[in-house]
Amino acid sequence: KAGVTQTPRYLIKTRGQQVTLSCSPISGHRSVSWYQQTPGQGLQFLFEYFSETQRNKGNFPGRFSGRQFSNSRSEMNVSTLELGDSALYLCASSAPTDRAARGLTEAFFGQGTRLTVV
Amino acid sequence: QKEVEQNSGPLSVPEGAIASLNCTYSDRGSQSFFWYRQYSGKSPELIMSIYSNGDKEDGRFTAQLNKASQYVSLLIRDSQPSDSATYLCAVKRGVGAGSYQLTFGKGTKLSVIP
Repeated sequence: KAGVTQTPRYLIKTRGQQVTLSCSPISGHRSVSWYQQTPGQGLQFLFEYFSETQRNKGNFPGRFSGRQFSNSRSEMNVSTLELGDSALYLCASSAPTDRAARGLTEAFFGQGTRLTVV
Repeated sequence: QKEVEQNSGPLSVPEGAIASLNCTYSDRGSQSFFWYRQYSGKSPELIMSIYSNGDKEDGRFTAQLNKASQYVSLLIRDSQPSDSATYLCAVKRGVGAGSYQLTFGKGTKLSVIP
């Protein structure tokens, strides 16, 4: 069974540009959540999508946005990049229906996209 | 502010010893608890989940949960150099489906000395 796939793995962007990151969840998983990881702040929740709807959003500015498609694939977009946006962006998939019904909802992470803003 | 606290370490243990990693959380609504292992430059890998008070064992790993004390721990028996990594504690409000959001501690760096 394929894991969570994130593309691209590495990105270098210039301040002011925008970037789109992609995430394909594990087959059968309908929830996709995004996290930003930095050395200083650790892992911080960005937002979560389920059945194409954003269910929850973390404390990030509006420059960070996302969406989910009908096949559960998700994208996140960061506009007007700042130096502080340099981070590892992680996508996690979870909630296969059978396990969620039994209260078992583990999240599995992709390999991440390393974004460097220069 | 819902918080998850971990000792940042580094925690150094000799090979073959038991490594004990601890985590406390502030949100009493937390119902699901996870331990992730993250090697340097890699993404977090789920190693344990626990939902009920008590112990849960999986191979060399044992997770312990005490909701009354808002405390969760991970024991690694017969520690190996390959266990050297950062261990992240994560908690989720609620059990089952519903909005999925994990709150992470900043991790404990474990070093197993051969």
